[in-house]
Parts: sequence; C-alpha cells; structure tokens
Amino acid sequence: QTVVTQEPSLTVSPGGTVTLTCASSTGAVTSGYYPNWFQQKPGQAPRALIYSTSNKHSWTPARFSGSLLGGKAALTLSGVQPEDEAEYYCLLYYGGALWVFGGGTKLTVL
Amino acid sequence: QVQLQESGPGLVKPSQTLSLTCTVSGGSISSGSYYWSWIRQPAGKGLEWIGRIYTSGSTNYNPSLKSRVTISVDTSKNQFSLKLSSVTAADTAVYYCAREVAPAMATNYFDYWGQGTLVTVSS
Repeated sequence: QTVVTQEPSLTVSPGGTVTLTCASSTGAVTSGYYPNWFQQKPGQAPRALIYSTSNKHSWTPARFSGSLLGGKAALTLSGVQPEDEAEYYCLLYYGGALWVFGGGTKLTVL
Repeated sequence: QVQLQESGPGLVKPSQTLSLTCTVSGGSISSGSYYWSWIRQPAGKGLEWIGRIYTSGSTNYNPSLKSRVTISVDTSKNQFSLKLSSVTAADTAVYYCAREVAPAMATNYFDYWGQGTLVTVSS
C-alpha cells in the first residue's frame, strides 16, 4: 500500500519562513508524481494552492511556493501571516490512475 | 467561475448504499479535458481520494474502495454521482466533489472543490 508522509505538525512565527515536505513510500518524489498542495481551515473545504510541483493558481498568494527538495515535494511559506494557520495536504499521482493524499501537516502560527 | 455543490442524504443505514450527487455550475461538465472526482474526510482525519470519472465516461477508483464504488455522470443535468455500497460506520465522513484538470501537454491537477457534505452511517 502506497503511503504519503507529511510532518504531523509545525510551528512558525509570524513573518517567518517554513517548509513542509511530502514523501512517498515508493521512493523519491519527482515531477512525475504531479505534486499538488492544498490548504484547509477548520470547517472549510480544501483550497488548491500549488500544482505540478511549483505552479500557482490564480488565487494563490505569492508567499506560497512549491519545489522538490531532497527527494520530497516541498511547500514553502515565506513571510507567514496569521491567516496561514491551517492544515496543509499534499497529493501525489501514481501510475495506474491513483491519487494519494498525505496525512496532512497542521501549521501553527505563534 | 466553476462551482461544485454536493447533495444527498445525510444519514445512511449500515449495509445500505450511500448516494451523492455533485452539481456543476459555471461550465459544462462535458466540455474540456476534465476528470470529476470524489474525495472524503472522516472527522478529524485526512483526505482520501475515492475515484474519478472523465468527460468520456471512463472511470478510475481507489483500489481500497473499488469493489464498492460506482461513479457516473449525467451530462444532461451537468451532474456526476457517487454510489458506495455496503456502508459501515467507517464510511462516515464529509464527502467532497472536485475537478481535476487534464491538460493535453501538461500534468493533471485539481482546482475547484465543492463545500462538502457530511454523511453519517448509523442505524
């Protein structure tokens, strides 16, 4: 069974920078896994932030960026704002038409 | 702007079939290169991709649910639907529908999501 792993929780100070990562049990994450990133706040639906590793949607704030880092997909928030406190999920695509979500990272801004 | 809205019973009895519909507005469900997906989230837990249907009607399902899932599309109503059979309490979750874009010369990605609907499995 394929497992996608994220940090369970991270804490960052307002104005700081934080990187969330997304690892695959099958090996290094590459662009071929089509990494997507989503933000979810309590009681709300997930909102798409990043797709295809590093592409932003029209509504994605500039402080969010995506990349590949050390064999993982990564989401970096620069200049963190209090409203960035949320759960963040990555999503990877596996051959055979299967999407697998990571377990999510709870980001606290403190 | 595309909007998706889930609808269906909020309570389903164990062993019965869960049925949900997602209505798409702001665009035709059958135009463009899109997959239409269902995703669920148990309370306090993470997201799970259930499956998807392409505009042509072809489907793909999560192997963990494949034996119990059927996704279909009704282009005349601009809707797609989810049926999950033989439900148990473990199927209690918020169910989301979402659009997956499948560009011809680029990688697939998700953009628009519905607000979600809570389905509780209980007698």
